Amino acid sequence: NAGVTQTPKFQVLKTGQSMTLQCAQDMNHNSMYWYRQDPGMGLRLIYYSASEGTTDKGEVPNGYNVSRLNKREFSLRLESAAPSQTSVYFCASSEDRGYGYTFGSGTRLTVV
Amino acid sequence: RKEVEQDPGPFNVPEGATVAFNCTYSNSASQSFFWYRQDCRKEPKLLMSVYSSGNEDGRFTAQLNRASQYISLLIRDSKLSDSATYLCVVNTGGFKTIFGAGTRLFVKA
Repeated sequence: NAGVTQTPKFQVLKTGQSMTLQCAQDMNHNSMYWYRQDPGMGLRLIYYSASEGTTDKGEVPNGYNVSRLNKREFSLRLESAAPSQTSVYFCASSEDRGYGYTFGSGTRLTVV
Repeated sequence: RKEVEQDPGPFNVPEGATVAFNCTYSNSASQSFFWYRQDCRKEPKLLMSVYSSGNEDGRFTAQLNRASQYISLLIRDSKLSDSATYLCVVNTGGFKTIFGAGTRLFVKA
């Protein structure tokens, strides 16, 4: 019963370093998402992929890039990490737009 | 004005109590509505979808009022295990889904 698998669970980066967050789902969902969650704020959409082969910007895309590698996998890359990117990152998937989401367990990222 | 607003709480209730949360949304064209539950340091999990006719799942009842643009979640016979943050989620069309900041619930023995 894997659902959505995210790696890593924790990461500490120095300012300017790069990293890729990995996400995979085994539910044959068409759509995948990357969100960040900060204290006192709702989840904010970084990027999404409506279907395999497409990606689009969300509310807060600056400083991030994504790749929809295949139907199962959707990665998020930070090219040059900044302290403002310290957050909890969640990957999610859904059958299609307007459907409920299944979330991964999250990545706690600290940029120092 | 935020697109989705929730009372942050916390709501502190005894076991067995009935508690209700409301959530307001600003976009009258919003199309689908959900409640999620998020435990401390965990991912959000879908609790229930909210339909125009209202829907019930065990001790949980969700209602949608399109005219007043709010949705509600009622929890009856609260359990200690219901302690969590409840997120109101609104899809305004396409892939634009807005998450509220959440309402914290503490159920005490």
